[in-house]
Amino acid sequence: DTGVSQDPRHKITKRGQNVTFRCDPISEHNRLYWYRQTLGQGPEFLTYFQNEAQLEKSRLLSDRFSAERPKGSFSTLEIQRTEQGDSAMYLCASSRLPLAVNGDEQYFGPGTRLTVT
Amino acid sequence: AQTVTQSQPEMSVQEAETVTLSCTYDTSESNYYLFWYKQPPSRQMILVIRQEAYKQQNATENRFSVNFQKAAKSFSLKISDSQLGDTAMYFCAFMSPGTASKLTFGTGTRLQVTL
Repeated sequence: DTGVSQDPRHKITKRGQNVTFRCDPISEHNRLYWYRQTLGQGPEFLTYFQNEAQLEKSRLLSDRFSAERPKGSFSTLEIQRTEQGDSAMYLCASSRLPLAVNGDEQYFGPGTRLTVT
Repeated sequence: AQTVTQSQPEMSVQEAETVTLSCTYDTSESNYYLFWYKQPPSRQMILVIRQEAYKQQNATENRFSVNFQKAAKSFSLKISDSQLGDTAMYFCAFMSPGTASKLTFGTGTRLQVTL
């Protein structure tokens, strides 16, 4: 169990540019979640995958956001035409299936801090 | 929709003392999970303790325990014998074990443990 990893840890970009983040979950975890955390707030749910299927998207996820998990392993989150309001910490978490032992426990990665200038 | 409220933005406690962090939530569901997560400065979020709503017994994990009051929709965290390493943001979170099992977080309480 090597934990959830995210890359990059920090990203500074200019408004209007596209950015892509990567998340590698714990290898045996079927579920993968993306959350966004702005300064002074708790994380907010964006979307989640069960294996390669994206099963739910929050209303926070505008058309400029897209997420994939092509082979049910790592996931990418892309933001197109970034805006200053996209500046936040983007957190990835993974878990087993709900009916598994401790399937409700989500393990978080270190996050990618995005700054849009 | 569920909401989670943490009314204490910041708390401070001296080393070896006990501190209690408050959390209230609102839901119409009867079966759910509650969690406390710890986010140390510049480090990733880790689970401190979890509670299943159908269990009346309060969860404990070493120096961490909860006071779960289902009727009052209250879920406080007690940290005993506070240590410097407990300094962190603490988030209360709610999960409904439905299809998504997504977490709904409060705004957090920043805990500072001092000498």
